Amino acid sequence: DTGVSQDPRHKITKRGQNVTFRCDPISEHNRLYWYRQTLGQGPEFLTYFQNEAQLEKSRLLSDRFSAERPKGSFSTLEIQRTEQGDSAMYLCASSLNPDRSYEQYFGPGTRLTVT
Amino acid sequence: GESVGLHLPTLSVQEGDNSIINCAYSNSASDYFIWYKQESGKGPQFIIDIRSNMDKRQGQRVTVLLNKTVKHLSLQIAATQPGDSAVYFCAENRRRGGGNKLTFGTGTQLKVEL
Repeated sequence: DTGVSQDPRHKITKRGQNVTFRCDPISEHNRLYWYRQTLGQGPEFLTYFQNEAQLEKSRLLSDRFSAERPKGSFSTLEIQRTEQGDSAMYLCASSLNPDRSYEQYFGPGTRLTVT
Repeated sequence: GESVGLHLPTLSVQEGDNSIINCAYSNSASDYFIWYKQESGKGPQFIIDIRSNMDKRQGQRVTVLLNKTVKHLSLQIAATQPGDSAVYFCAENRRRGGGNKLTFGTGTQLKVEL
């Protein structure tokens, strides 16, 4: 257990529905990241927060995706009008040391299945 | 637990042998190269990093080698144990102009045979 928690662990939804995932990072970590991972692939970067500011977003993050970190602690990732192609593992990670931001602590992920 | 890599390159080693996992990278501007380990049903776990101006770094039972000439990275695990069974990913981090994101490569499934 890395100290990063994600909820829910599994989510099955019908195409067109909205879903929201939550990530609780390690408490003193000010940086929080979202990644998406499909079977057989490495995680792909989606977005990154430093405290409550969203500093970077991937081109993978379409307009249907939105992420927030309102108080600089937990974060939510919402997907609107889900599509079957959104089926993946959504991973959250956090880091503390700005000089070692590549040392990230990952949560167990939320497995999304869109039917 | 679920598998995170159904069609990944696979390396099978006997318990106690040394393992070498290889990775080719593409971005010459990367500042750091990192190895992560992902066990079934879990998120990736940081193992070791190497700065781009180094060619070798050792940790506990692990050694990372960096060859910038051919853009190749390797992870050597000494005396491989059953607990080492996992998918291993190399990743790149470019701090200047690259933000703080990690760019992961294709993983390698390590299977340790008893």
